[in-house]
Amino acid sequence: DTGVSQDPRHKITKRGQNVTFRCDPISEHNRLYWYRQTLGQGPEFLTYFQNEAQLEKSRLLSDRFSAERPKGSFSTLEIQRTEQGDSAMYLCASSSGLAGGTSTDTQYFGPGTRLTVL
Amino acid sequence: AQSVTQLDSQVPVFEEAPVELRCNYSSSVSVYLFWYVQYPNQGLQLLLKYLSGSTLVKGINGFEAEFNKSQTSFHLRKPSVHISDTAEYFCAVTRPGYSSASKIIFGSGTRLSIRP
Repeated sequence: DTGVSQDPRHKITKRGQNVTFRCDPISEHNRLYWYRQTLGQGPEFLTYFQNEAQLEKSRLLSDRFSAERPKGSFSTLEIQRTEQGDSAMYLCASSSGLAGGTSTDTQYFGPGTRLTVL
Repeated sequence: AQSVTQLDSQVPVFEEAPVELRCNYSSSVSVYLFWYVQYPNQGLQLLLKYLSGSTLVKGINGFEAEFNKSQTSFHLRKPSVHISDTAEYFCAVTRPGYSSASKIIFGSGTRLSIRP
């Protein structure tokens, strides 16, 4: 068990460019979550996968954001036409799904990808 | 709807002193409560959680928290802190039985800085 990994750790881009982040969850974890964390705030939920199915999306996830988990393992989060307001830390977490509902299922977080949009 | 308030954005403490990080929640129904820690340049790690039962919850690294329903609080405590406890601490709340991941609400965090 090597933990949740995210790539890249840092990304600097110019406004209007597209960016893609990758998350590799703990192996055999069937649930995967994306959060956004801005400076001085706690994480805010973006979206959630159970295996390959995207079950829930926050209203924070505008049309410019898309997330996939094609084979139920790693996931990607793409932001199109980035804006300066997209600058944040993007966190990925995974959980085993063995504890029933997600409210009691411990989430293990990755180190995050820090996005800076110039 | 649930909400979480962390009353202190920063808490400076001397090494080996006790510390309390305050968390108050708002909910009209029963709740599950969590404390997470985020070390510099790392993701969040679960310290402890209250689901039901004993109101005093013990977690990792010598931390504990007490659920107080009448005061709607879930303060985190440690009797003697170490330099390595320097980190950001987040309180979070959700409702029992929720299958919705979006209903885990995090507070804005408390930065704990330990002075030698």
